[in-house]
Amino acid sequence: DSGVTQTPKHLITATGQRVTLRCSPRSGDLSVYWYQQSLDQGLQFLIQYYNGEERAKGNILERFSAQQFPDLHSELNLSSLELGDSALYFCASNRQGASYEQYFGPGTRLTVT
Amino acid sequence: DQQVKQNSPSLSVQEGRISILNCDYTNSMFDYFLWYKKYPAEGPTFLISISSIKDKNEDGRFTVFLNKSAKHLSLHIVPSQPGDSAVYFCAASGKIQGAQKLVFGQGTRLTINP
Repeated sequence: DSGVTQTPKHLITATGQRVTLRCSPRSGDLSVYWYQQSLDQGLQFLIQYYNGEERAKGNILERFSAQQFPDLHSELNLSSLELGDSALYFCASNRQGASYEQYFGPGTRLTVT
Repeated sequence: DQQVKQNSPSLSVQEGRISILNCDYTNSMFDYFLWYKKYPAEGPTFLISISSIKDKNEDGRFTVFLNKSAKHLSLHIVPSQPGDSAVYFCAASGKIQGAQKLVFGQGTRLTINP
């Protein structure tokens, strides 16, 4: 158990809808990272927050947004969903935010039908 | 642009033998390299890492080798055990577009046969 929690575990929704994925980092960790893993692909970095502020952006679509709240939990919002957004979404955290060892949650599997 | 590549999608090894997983990268600005292991229905877990100033790091049965001139790293597991069956991701850390980021390979599925 990494100490990172993600909810929900599974999500099934229709095209055009909007969903919110939630992540709670390990106790004491200030940095949160979001990744997308599509079928047979590696983990694609989406976005990083450090202590409530956006620190780095990856290949995140404009339909996607995220935020980190004062209690350090983070939410990833996906809107106008398309079939191609079906994937595993992982959240990771660490203390120093320097992108070295990151501790991953179990992921949320999103299925868009 | 795939900056980190794991060219073998799968690898099958006999229990007790050595498993060698390979990874190539293209960006010479990467300064830290990591291996993660992933079981089904779980998130990746950190396994071992190496700084770009070293060429070898060992932790028990796991050893990572870095060849900077070839932009290649490898993970050796010896002896291989059934519990090592998982997907292994190689990752590289470096400053990309002004921010420190972790770039992952596509993963190699390792199967240890009894």
